[in-house]
Amino acid sequence: DAGITQSPRYKITETGRQVTLMCHQTWSHSYMFWYRQDLGHGLRLIYYSAAADITDKGEVPDGYVVSRSKTENFPLTLESATRSQTSVYFCASRPSGGETQYFGPGTRLLVL
Amino acid sequence: AQKITQTQPGMFVQEKEAVTLDCTYDTSDQSYGLFWYKQPSSGEMIFLIYQGSYDEQNATEGRYSLNFQKARKSANLVISASQLGDSAMYFCAMREGRGSGGSNYKLTFGKGTLLTVNP
Repeated sequence: DAGITQSPRYKITETGRQVTLMCHQTWSHSYMFWYRQDLGHGLRLIYYSAAADITDKGEVPDGYVVSRSKTENFPLTLESATRSQTSVYFCASRPSGGETQYFGPGTRLLVL
Repeated sequence: AQKITQTQPGMFVQEKEAVTLDCTYDTSDQSYGLFWYKQPSSGEMIFLIYQGSYDEQNATEGRYSLNFQKARKSANLVISASQLGDSAMYFCAMREGRGSGGSNYKLTFGKGTLLTVNP
């Protein structure tokens, strides 16, 4: 049972490039979330999705785009990466009817 | 104002002793949930324990218990019999209210407490 996976685990890119971070879960959880973790800020919500084709903004959505054409996938795209988007990105999922969010292993992104 | 406050940036505890990590929260909702996650140096986020606002009993999961004081808006994590493997960053988080479309399932995190267990 793979659970929730993220790819790539590490990424180095340059300012202005488009980057897509992948998130895949095998549980068929309805809800999926993207967070970023920065020193001094804890985790902050970027976007979330209640089901396929339903997405909404979180606390820090600027510069990011998401899509959810299939329940199991929730990719996060940085359309034009900036240095301020250097961070650790976590994807999480939650079943409908449950309380707990389960996190993927994270993607470390460095924007030069 | 911060919704989740963890006032202890770092804590030290001797192996086999108990330790309490503080968390206070701010919400006007009647229905909410409180969570603790552990993040070891390897980086993954591990769910530890959950407390619902209507739960009358404090939540317990093995060596972890949540000291829930609703009137004081505090949700402290108690780790009994600390082990070296408990050394990690610990995050308190809150899920507020009952919105729609998934908005009620968003988590707001505190900034974390770094726990070091000494042998």
